[in-house]
Amino acid sequence: EDKVVQSPLSLVVHEGDTVTLNCSYEVTNFRSLLWYKQEKKAPTFLFMLTSSGIEKKSGRLSSILDKKELSSILNITATQTGDSAIYLCAVAWGFNKFYFGSGTKLNVKP
Amino acid sequence: NAGVTQTPKFRVLKTGQSMTLLCAQDMNHEYMYWYRQDPGMGLRLIHYSVGEGTTAKGEVPDGYNVSRLKKQNFLLGLESAAPSQTSVYFCASSSLAGGSYNEQFFGPGTRLTVL
Repeated sequence: EDKVVQSPLSLVVHEGDTVTLNCSYEVTNFRSLLWYKQEKKAPTFLFMLTSSGIEKKSGRLSSILDKKELSSILNITATQTGDSAIYLCAVAWGFNKFYFGSGTKLNVKP
Repeated sequence: NAGVTQTPKFRVLKTGQSMTLLCAQDMNHEYMYWYRQDPGMGLRLIHYSVGEGTTAKGEVPDGYNVSRLKKQNFLLGLESAAPSQTSVYFCASSSLAGGSYNEQFFGPGTRLTVL
């Protein structure tokens, strides 16, 4: 059965810490892997990864895909309280369909 | 440019009642999706559409119906609501630009409670 698993389920850190969130997948007909940030309402897009080993960066956030290990990590450096959110990993498969993981809840304390 | 909008934002139903959730997007996207999000379970795909007049089942389609009569609108119907359908419902859309996968844009969600 296809699935997307994220770890840890939740994480509490202090401002300035660096965090690494994990996403592993077992999905047939894999197309790409996406990361979203969900605060109080709708998920907002962070990254889409299609090629293994190529890091994508946006400010303090970065992500990389490892197709051999069927996994991806999302790094956040120098965390801020505004980074507190649920981070969702999704895998695109088949004809533009998506499986989502259950998310990692990050709480950044001042 | 409103993006993806959903109505209503909140709704409380009694078991057995019916309702329709409306999703609208103004980005001319080909693909539209309905998800439900339950605590600890992430987003699960209910139904999706790859174009006007076409719909297909996702992971959890039972108890729901959809229609896409216009490209910009995607309706989700509950014919006979059950407490198990208490959830937050998200609509999303994405484009076919470049012929490859593109990120989904999400609406603000509808919180539905079935008593």
